[in-house]
Amino acid sequence: ETGVTQTPRHLVMGMTNKKSLKCEQHLGHNAMYWYKQSAKKPLELMFVYNFKEQTENNSVPSRFSPECPNSSHLFLHLHTLQPEDSALYLCASSQGPVYEQYFGPGTRLTVT
Amino acid sequence: AQSVTQLDSHVSVSEGTPVLLRCNYSSSYSPSLFWYVQHPNKGLQLLLKYTSAATLVKGINGFEAEFKKSETSFHLTKPSAHMSDAAEYFCVVSAGGTSYGKLTFGQGTILTVHP
Repeated sequence: ETGVTQTPRHLVMGMTNKKSLKCEQHLGHNAMYWYKQSAKKPLELMFVYNFKEQTENNSVPSRFSPECPNSSHLFLHLHTLQPEDSALYLCASSQGPVYEQYFGPGTRLTVT
Repeated sequence: AQSVTQLDSHVSVSEGTPVLLRCNYSSSYSPSLFWYVQHPNKGLQLLLKYTSAATLVKGINGFEAEFKKSETSFHLTKPSAHMSDAAEYFCVVSAGGTSYGKLTFGQGTILTVHP
């Protein structure tokens, strides 16, 4: 595997479910990011991790819980989501905060 | 504070004709600027970046962009459009100060290429 990978690529979940999104980067980067992309809205930064430490939480509801066990892996734990949380969730990584970011293919999440 | 405005939400061109996607930025610090492309149901791919070196930046797939500080612009161009260029394009700014390390994305420009 090369670059940034995300699993699953598609996820349908009910509002009472608990699920997790996984991101893995094979680029040797130190920073990882979660973004939310909704239709007709700009890309929204959710969380930033730098050397496994969370450095940014962009006022994200607590029903989204990130986890970064090491610099190569990033998870987004989901519970009791709302239909408006349906979106494409993108993971990205970079050498550091000011460098260009490389994106994974995204997870298309549908909350029913 | 930093912001970016993509001046056209949709651009339509014929195959073989030039492409111009316009972007203006605002930043209190010397910015880094990027163009990303997103094909349907795919992640974002970096096309090119400006980081205070040459003002004319060449990217992948024949795209290039010119940083014009006096106009606070970073327009993306390509001499001859190809059908495979049809996608959504995002202009992105990264600057310092309180926005250090944060990318601010434009609203996106959807490029349609007609045969």
